[in-house]
Amino acid sequence: GAGVSQSPSNKVTEKGKDVELRCDPISGHTALYWYRQSLGQGLEFLIYFQGNSAPDKSGLPSDRFSAERTGGSVSTLTIQRTQQEDSAVYLCASSPTPGGDYGYTFGSGTRLTVV
Amino acid sequence: AQTVTQSQPEMSVQEAETVTLSCTYDTSENNYYLFWYKQPPSRQMILVIRQEAYKQQNATENRFSVNFQKAAKSFSLKISDSQLGDTAMYFCAFMKQLGSNTGKLIFGQGTTLQVKP
Repeated sequence: GAGVSQSPSNKVTEKGKDVELRCDPISGHTALYWYRQSLGQGLEFLIYFQGNSAPDKSGLPSDRFSAERTGGSVSTLTIQRTQQEDSAVYLCASSPTPGGDYGYTFGSGTRLTVV
Repeated sequence: AQTVTQSQPEMSVQEAETVTLSCTYDTSENNYYLFWYKQPPSRQMILVIRQEAYKQQNATENRFSVNFQKAAKSFSLKISDSQLGDTAMYFCAFMKQLGSNTGKLIFGQGTTLQVKP
């Protein structure tokens, strides 16, 4: 596609439920990143994919968070047993170069609200 | 660990005037990349400008230019002839050099810029 597409745009969920956030990167972009943007913590790195593997998942805040990427394309970020502190905007980005050193293209994010 | 600091939470400028956003960073790396991203209310982060630390020349992109002071670890963004569409939050970001990193960006806290008519 023309840009990085994320769905849903907004998600409200009840505490304790699981949620899945989807990211469709730009076609041909091998590197994919997830970031979280919250008022208190700013922008935080979550995980990096190169192809289907995740060489850096150091930013995942707890074992309730997981992500996968299939076919070197679509990625899903799953949050299990959501907590109120998970409320944030989750941003996905992709890059044509493995290290993203020319900058990424970001999606418009998913705003997650846990009530 | 690398840190990025933006000391101006909010700034405003009159349309057509020039404004400079500040950014300092802390690293022990010698080669790295620095970026400015813009985030309008649509939430999509847009790359404004990129600087390679080993290049002495300051990067420019149309009305946007940087003042990169490697020794001082400073990377300010100058916006000339400000336009209403420049109203957004601006983030400074640091990335370690390819080969020793996974492309992870370390962001500052952001500066909200309002351009007034």
